Amino acid sequence: TQLLEQSPQFLSIQEGENLTVYCNSSSVFSSLQWYRQEPGEGPVLLVTVVTGGEVKKLKRLTFQFGDARKDSSLHITAAQPGDTGLYLCARGEYGNKLVFGAGTILRVKS
Amino acid sequence: DTEVTQTPKHLVMGMTNKKSLKCEQHMGHRAMYWYKQKAKKPPELMFVYSYEKLSINESVPSRFSPECPNSSLLNLHLHALQPEDSALYLCASSPTPAYNEKLFFGSGTQLSVL
Repeated sequence: TQLLEQSPQFLSIQEGENLTVYCNSSSVFSSLQWYRQEPGEGPVLLVTVVTGGEVKKLKRLTFQFGDARKDSSLHITAAQPGDTGLYLCARGEYGNKLVFGAGTILRVKS
Repeated sequence: DTEVTQTPKHLVMGMTNKKSLKCEQHMGHRAMYWYKQKAKKPPELMFVYSYEKLSINESVPSRFSPECPNSSLLNLHLHALQPEDSALYLCASSPTPAYNEKLFFGSGTQLSVL
């Protein structure tokens, strides 16, 4: 199992600030998924990135996949309290084992 | 219906008890999963069922016994658990067991073992 490193582990910011979460691996992955998990709920898929250099936008969220397909980032513009949650990157492995990174706990204060 | 339904939502059990967690989906998905998640940690895969057959067991102790009675249902039978087994147990499904399919997660069962 190839490890996925996420940073930072914890982020506490004020409403309206911008932030970036990173997901890195020492090996190339064919695609990467980003999930968000709110307290008391299961993770919900936000986006899947497949092509090196790809950029996808989901309202105030921007996802990038590195050119070498070893890293990805999630940027949130003008964070809101509703963005609070655990952000997880994940890669699929043989047999559809979905392996998650350690996660970034985001807290947005109003 | 795009939901994965898990019951119960909360469960407290003693170390000598036998209990079962249930998971149901009616999306026609043919792959179903059990994950275990400790507080503030990522989910960890336990089992994968592909077309109602167990395809992956991540070296889970035998006190956890999965069962897939049909394509819509997934159970996790619990017996003689330890306090360290206390966690959120998440069920998920995907249309097929193909590589990198989107997973649909239930809300989980919060299990406490006393």
